[in-house]
Amino acid sequence: AQRVTQPEKLLSVFKGAPVELKCNYSYSGSPELFWYVQYSRQRLQLLLRHISRESIKGFTADLNKGETSFHLKKPFAQEEDSAMYYCALRMDSSYKLIFGSGTRLLVRP
Amino acid sequence: GAGVSQSPSNKVTEKGKDVELRCDPISGHTALYWYRQSLGQGLEFLIYFQGNSAPDKSGLPSDRFSAERTGGSVSTLTIQRTQQEDSAVYLCASSPRAGSYNEQFFGPGTRLTVL
Repeated sequence: AQRVTQPEKLLSVFKGAPVELKCNYSYSGSPELFWYVQYSRQRLQLLLRHISRESIKGFTADLNKGETSFHLKKPFAQEEDSAMYYCALRMDSSYKLIFGSGTRLLVRP
Repeated sequence: GAGVSQSPSNKVTEKGKDVELRCDPISGHTALYWYRQSLGQGLEFLIYFQGNSAPDKSGLPSDRFSAERTGGSVSTLTIQRTQQEDSAVYLCASSPRAGSYNEQFFGPGTRLTVL
């Protein structure tokens, strides 16, 4: 079955440190991968998608089909990056998103 | 313009009661989705509406759950005879249309607590 795995429930780093939030998926077709973010007391919002190949708020994510991964990276974490991050998968010809269980990122001063 | 809105923001009910959760999508968005977020879990797909097509109800966990979308706009998710395991945050999202390249815009959610 299709699945998205985020192995870390909590990731705590100091300000200025690099951060990598892991995401692995299981799907044999052509996936579309997303990262969604939920800041405190705000609604869930799209951070980035792999097809855009862009950097948002300093975050990047590369789809690695060989390793079926879509890890989210930022070289220098900021306190305002503290939030809940969800990796999501859309299968080809589908419309619904399959979400991972989320990783809470805490950036300490 | 306004984003997706949901009401109520919080709902506390007793086991066995029925509840209705409402979602107002972004104007002009034809696709509407319901998800459920249980404590410590990811978002679980429940149901999807696209225009006048038959909804995809494949994610509804039991026949106590139902949803409708009137006039292609507002949607109501109904849970009958609520159980404690129904306690969760129910999220609604909409997009201009379904499929790739269409970002889903989420509402603030309704937190349901079943006592």
